[in-house]
Amino acid sequence: AQSVSQHNHHVILSEAASLELGCNYSYGGTVNLFWYVQYPGQHLQLLLKYFSGDPLVKGIKGFEAEFIKSKFSFNLRKPSVQWSDTAEYFCAVNLYTGGFKTIFGAGTRLFVKA
Amino acid sequence: DVKVTQSSRYLVKRTGEKVFLECVQDMDHENMFWYRQDPGLGLRLIYFSYDVKMKEKGDIPEGYSVSREKKERFSLILESASTNQTSMYLCASSHRDKDYEQYFGPGTRLTVT
Repeated sequence: AQSVSQHNHHVILSEAASLELGCNYSYGGTVNLFWYVQYPGQHLQLLLKYFSGDPLVKGIKGFEAEFIKSKFSFNLRKPSVQWSDTAEYFCAVNLYTGGFKTIFGAGTRLFVKA
Repeated sequence: DVKVTQSSRYLVKRTGEKVFLECVQDMDHENMFWYRQDPGLGLRLIYFSYDVKMKEKGDIPEGYSVSREKKERFSLILESASTNQTSMYLCASSHRDKDYEQYFGPGTRLTVT
């Protein structure tokens, strides 16, 4: 069965530290990849997406993610986090299995210490 | 700007009650989704709809039903609420052929006592 794994459930960082959140998926076909973010008390919103082309994609607020097809991975990175990045981050994979379907990872809660 | 609204932010219901959660989107999206969000489990798809009066089961449809009588509105129904349905419920919508990006509502935190 298709699945999405996020390696860390909780991450605590100090401001200015670098961030990398892991995401792996299990599916051998073509995928569209997303990272969503949910700030405290707010809607889930799209951070960045990958459909094709350059495997390094840049999103809002200085985030980027790299698609490595051979590793079935789509890790999220930010070189220097801010207190305002405190949020929950969800990796999602859109794939086709007779119809399009989006599968979400369990989420990673990031807490950035001021 | 896409807007997805949900009828309530917080709801408390008793076991056995029938519960209606309403979702409305204003972007003429064909696809609409209902998820529940639980700590450590992420978002799990309950039902989705790709057109008016059309519905498909997601990964965890048991105990739920849905209704889509108009394109902009997608309702989630708990026929007889149970305590294990206490959760955050998220509605989302997307354009059928564009990007598959989903736009989310603010969520309804349902507590069943």
